[in-house]
Amino acid sequence: AQSVTQLDSQVPVFEEAPVELRCNYSSSVSVYLFWYVQYPNQGLQLLLKYLSGSTLVKGINGFEAEFNKSQTSFHLRKPSVHISDTAEYFCAVRSGTYKYIFGTGTRLKVLA
Amino acid sequence: GAVVSQHPSWVICKSGTSVKIECRSLDFQATTMFWYRQFPKQSLMLMATSNEGSKATYEQGVEKDKFLINHASLTLSTLTVTSAHPEDSSFYICSARATSGEWSYNEQFFGPGTRLTVL
Repeated sequence: AQSVTQLDSQVPVFEEAPVELRCNYSSSVSVYLFWYVQYPNQGLQLLLKYLSGSTLVKGINGFEAEFNKSQTSFHLRKPSVHISDTAEYFCAVRSGTYKYIFGTGTRLKVLA
Repeated sequence: GAVVSQHPSWVICKSGTSVKIECRSLDFQATTMFWYRQFPKQSLMLMATSNEGSKATYEQGVEKDKFLINHASLTLSTLTVTSAHPEDSSFYICSARATSGEWSYNEQFFGPGTRLTVL
């Protein structure tokens, strides 16, 4: 069975500092990996995705993530965060069944 | 492109009434749509997979008779919460799987969500 673990439920960080949100997955088959952002009372917005190819994936809003198969990780990074990045971030895995399995989410709080 | 809409965006109803939520893919066809439920400060939990022209597939623990799903066309799926109770209050999000067009095959696109409050 597939699973996704987001190790940090909350991550406070000062504005303009770098941030890394951790995501580990478990799967016995090839997977596709996603990061979504959710602002309060809104749906999910895709930040980036790994389907195949280069393990370093660049997304919107300056975010990037690196797929590490040996460590079964897909950590999200941003070199300099803004107040507007404050939101909930979800890591998700999808296999051939088309179902998405979501992690429990990480609340990023950017402090002035 | 690849827009999914939900209607209504929020709804308040009395206990015992039924509520219908619509999910539409606006610029692509979606043979499969998914319905998720999200409790406050929690992750999305898949409730069911909605297949156009056939019965929905429900996840374990989800009551079929409680959450009725209809996928009557390639662009519309509806979720009806029957005899709603306060514990059904939640944020319901749908997604649609793109099977044609310019996007990555089988990529899913999420709707903005519907907040249901049952009094």
